[in-house]
Order: sequence, then structure tokens, then C-alpha cells
Amino acid sequence: ETGVTQTPRHLVMGMTNKKSLKCEQHLGHNAMYWYKQSAKKPLELMFVYNFKEQTENNSVPSRFSPECPNSSHLFLHLHTLQPEDSALYLCASSRTGRNQETQYFGPGTRLLVL
Amino acid sequence: GNSVTQMEGPVTLSEEAFLTINCTYTATGYPSLFWYVQYPGEGLQLLLKATKADDKGSNKGFEATYRKETTSFHLEKGSVQVSDSAVYFCALIVDFSGSARQLTFGSGTQLTVLP
Repeated sequence: ETGVTQTPRHLVMGMTNKKSLKCEQHLGHNAMYWYKQSAKKPLELMFVYNFKEQTENNSVPSRFSPECPNSSHLFLHLHTLQPEDSALYLCASSRTGRNQETQYFGPGTRLLVL
Repeated sequence: GNSVTQMEGPVTLSEEAFLTINCTYTATGYPSLFWYVQYPGEGLQLLLKATKADDKGSNKGFEATYRKETTSFHLEKGSVQVSDSAVYFCALIVDFSGSARQLTFGSGTQLTVLP
């Protein structure tokens, strides 16, 4: 148990569906992250939020829409996804500041797009 | 830019064997270095870290030493167990300003330990 929870753990959706992934951290951190982990590829950073402000968007398609209402919660809204978006989506959180950069990960949401 | 190179897997060992997983890096600036482990069906867990040259991170019998002269952070364990079977990721972060920083990951090394 890392203090970062993600729901749902598994999700199957069609290409026309709209769904949301949720991440919650109980560690008092102020930065939160979305990563994508696909088979046989390195982890890809998608978005970074620092004190609820988005500070990084790694050229992610607009069919992925993040939302960070407060420093404890992070959402990833999904719509009109493609089969190649099937992957494990990992959320992480950290403090910011020197020597505070260790990121703690949630268990991930396994997404299958049909 | 920053990058991390890990040895290609998969690695298969017998129980109680010695483990080394090589990791080298390139970084602009002075990185902190990490090893994360991912057990089947789970997210990533921090295994150990080192924040400056010659630091040794250790946890659960695993060790890695930050070698600035060889830009390496090799993971070692003297006697692996079946329960160590997982994917291991080497990663770095460079923090200049104290803001949220991006972790750069290696591609991961699958370790299987046989009884």
C-alpha cells in the first residue's frame, strides 16, 4: 500500500464510450502525474500537475483530458479512444522541492479499448 | 536530454543466485537515481534510491551505488528468491528548481527466479 489509490482497476470500453479514471493520494503531496505503460514500451509520462496547475503535457492526444480539482485528486477523462490506447495507466504523486522528488505510484488501471 | 539504458531482459536465475541488472544514464545536471519494481498485476513500487555520488541505496537485500565516474547505478542482490520475480525499472530525475520533475525511466528488465 503506497498511499495512492486508483479506480477502477480494470476497464473495458468501446471506442465511442466516455469514461474517467480516478486517482487519490493520501500522502500530503502537491504534485500528481499520469503515466501510460504499454507492452514492450518504456513508461510514458502524460501529464504533470503541481499545486493543481498543469505543468507538463507530453503531446498527449486530446481524447485524453486530465482534471486536478485539488492536490489530492486527479482524473483522466477518456473519450473516443482507439484500440492502441489499451494500456496500464499509472498515477503517481510526490512532494516538490530539493530531495523531495520520490514519486509514489498507484496500482494502475488496466484499460482495454475494443 | 536525459536517458536511462538498462540491460535487456528477460533474466532467468535459479533461487539463491547472484543478481546484477545494469543501468547507465545520461543527464543534464546532477540527477537522483532510483530503482522501481513492478510485481505482476501491480503498479510500480520504489525499491531504493540515491541522491548523490557514491551514495548506496539499499532495501530488501538489494543494493545499488551511484557511480558518477561511470554514470551507472547497477542493481545487485546476493541471493535472489522466487518472490523477487518482477520487472525492475531504473530511473532518474533532475531537479533544478524544486518544482515537479519528470522521471525518466529505462525500458525495464524482467526477472524470473526459478525454485
